[in-house]
This record gives sequence, structure tokens and C-alpha cells, in this order.
Amino acid sequence: DTGVSQNPRHKITKRGQNVTFRCDPISEHNRLYWYRQTLGQGPEFLTYFQNEAQLEKSRLLSDRFSAERPKGSFSTLEIQRTEQGDSAMYLCASSLADRVNEKLFFGSGTQLSVL
Amino acid sequence: DAKTTQPPSMDCAEGRAANLPCNHSTISGNEYVYWYRQIHSQGPQYIIHGLKNNETNEMASLIITEDRKSSTLILPHATLRDTAVYYCIVRVAEKSNYQLIWGAGTKLIIKP
Repeated sequence: DTGVSQNPRHKITKRGQNVTFRCDPISEHNRLYWYRQTLGQGPEFLTYFQNEAQLEKSRLLSDRFSAERPKGSFSTLEIQRTEQGDSAMYLCASSLADRVNEKLFFGSGTQLSVL
Repeated sequence: DAKTTQPPSMDCAEGRAANLPCNHSTISGNEYVYWYRQIHSQGPQYIIHGLKNNETNEMASLIITEDRKSSTLILPHATLRDTAVYYCIVRVAEKSNYQLIWGAGTKLIIKP
């Protein structure tokens, strides 16, 4: 178990540029989640996958955001035409679907700064 | 899903027990209480969860009141490495974690 890995750890970009983040979940986990977190707040749900299917997207997720999980393994989150309001920590978590005992395992996040 | 209320911050002396309260007065019968913590610059880490019985693992103990309207997370011998933000969340069985509502948590500071 090597844990959830996220790359890059930090990303600085200029407003209007596109950025892409990658998440490698724990290998046997079938669920993968993306969250956004701003300073002083808890994580805010963006979207989640079960295997390769994207099952839910937050209403907060504008059409500038897109996520994929090809073959049910790693996932990417792309933000197009970044805005300063997109500056945040983007967290990825994975889990094994379980009715009662599902636990989230988080990566260390990607800190995005939009200038 | 039920929401939770936690104090924004707490202090505890190193080596003492840290008791973190959580109020979830609108919890339903099929909702579990989960605790996570987030150390600075890291993602949240699972600690413990329970339904109605008290639970203990290598990290902490969870005490849930009989009416299930509140709970307490206990770190029996706090160390400086336990300084973190602690989140109390309720989760409905059968639902995935995307529906969890994360509040701002309790910032626990362990003092030497």
C-alpha cells in the first residue's frame, strides 16, 4: 500500500491558462473522489468515480472543470481558462466501496495558485 | 445527511487526554459518526467511526451518547504530532462518501 499519490504538489499558473492534475489511487480501490479545499474550510466535494464511471458531479463544478478516470485506475482533473477563484488545494481520495465501513484515503493534494 | 457542530479550536497539554466534542443532534438511525484529522499541508486522515457503541482503535476512542446526539473523540495521550484540524462527519450507510458535508472542524493545538 503506497497510498494515494497526487501530482504536482504545487502549481502556479496565470489566469486563463489550462491546468491538469493527476491522482493515482490505492490500487485495489474502486472509488475515487476529487475535493477542493480553501483555507480554513473543510473539503468540498467536486466529483467521484466508481471504477471508470463518473457517477456524481457537484453543482459547483463549472463546465471549465473536467475529470476522467480511464480504465478505472488513475484520474485527471483539468481546469480550463483558470480564474483567480480557482486557487485552492485540490484533494484526491480513494476508497473501497463498503456499505458500512467505507473509509476515505486522501493524497497530499495539489495546491493551485492562479495569478 | 445530518450536519455536525464542533468548537473551532481547543488546546491540550502534551501527555494529557484530548477530548474533542461533536454535536449531531439531527442524526438519523442509519447514520454513522466518522472522524478524520488533517495535519498541516497533508490530506485528511481517517481516525475512527461508529454507529452507537463506543469504539476504540490504535489511534483513538469514540464515545457516542446513548441518544446519539453527540459524541466525543478521545486521544488518550496527546503528542505534539496530534496538532491538527479534526473533522466530525455523519455518513448514511448505503451512500457513498460524496454526500459527506465537511464543516470547518476543530483546530486542536497540543502544547508542550
